[in-house]
Amino acid sequence: QVQLQQWGAGLLKPSETLSLTCAVSGGSFSGYFWGWIRQPPGKGLEWIAEINHSGGTKYKPSLRSRVTISLDTTKNQFSLRVRSVTAADTAVYYCVRGPKYSSPDHWGQGTLVTVSS
Amino acid sequence: DIQMTQSPSAMSASVGDRVTITCRASQDINDYLAWYQQKPGKVPKRLIYAASSLQSGVPSRFSGRGFGTEFTLTISGLQPEDLGTYYCLQHNSYPWTFGQGTKVEIK
Repeated sequence: QVQLQQWGAGLLKPSETLSLTCAVSGGSFSGYFWGWIRQPPGKGLEWIAEINHSGGTKYKPSLRSRVTISLDTTKNQFSLRVRSVTAADTAVYYCVRGPKYSSPDHWGQGTLVTVSS
Repeated sequence: DIQMTQSPSAMSASVGDRVTITCRASQDINDYLAWYQQKPGKVPKRLIYAASSLQSGVPSRFSGRGFGTEFTLTISGLQPEDLGTYYCLQHNSYPWTFGQGTKVEIK
């Protein structure tokens, strides 16, 4: 059974860098995509980025200049970095996995990241 | 970006009722649509993928239909544990986009 366990700093100041990591257990990297979705408090879901097992990436255009997604298959982990955060980046961040050409079927437990001075 | 418009945004129904949620895409997305349920304070859970395929372990009272630009999620016989917010997701083209959500309450 695939499990996604995520972690990272929960409180940041404006202009700092958000860094989250998601560890994958119980599954292969091949044939799947790995991504991040966020949800501001009380609001809906927003897709951020994804990476496939070959390292190919896709980003939300409005976030592309500040976001990097990366994959470390040797550690069975993938990560998200968001530079120069503002209060608008305050959200619960979820790591996700999905089969190629399909939609996310496994989600991490979520990490609340708050940006406040 | 493809816009996903869900309706209604909120609803209240009685146990046993048939509930239908609609999601409309601003352009053709074939069947690259999924439905998620998010209970209060919990992680979203996939109910339907490829517009009409039921996720393993999900009760059969949930069903999805549609192709192209119009899709529906139906709950045939609402149960108390079905309260929560339901989201559609299009993954036909990047950036992937979600509907704004439909909050389902139990009368």
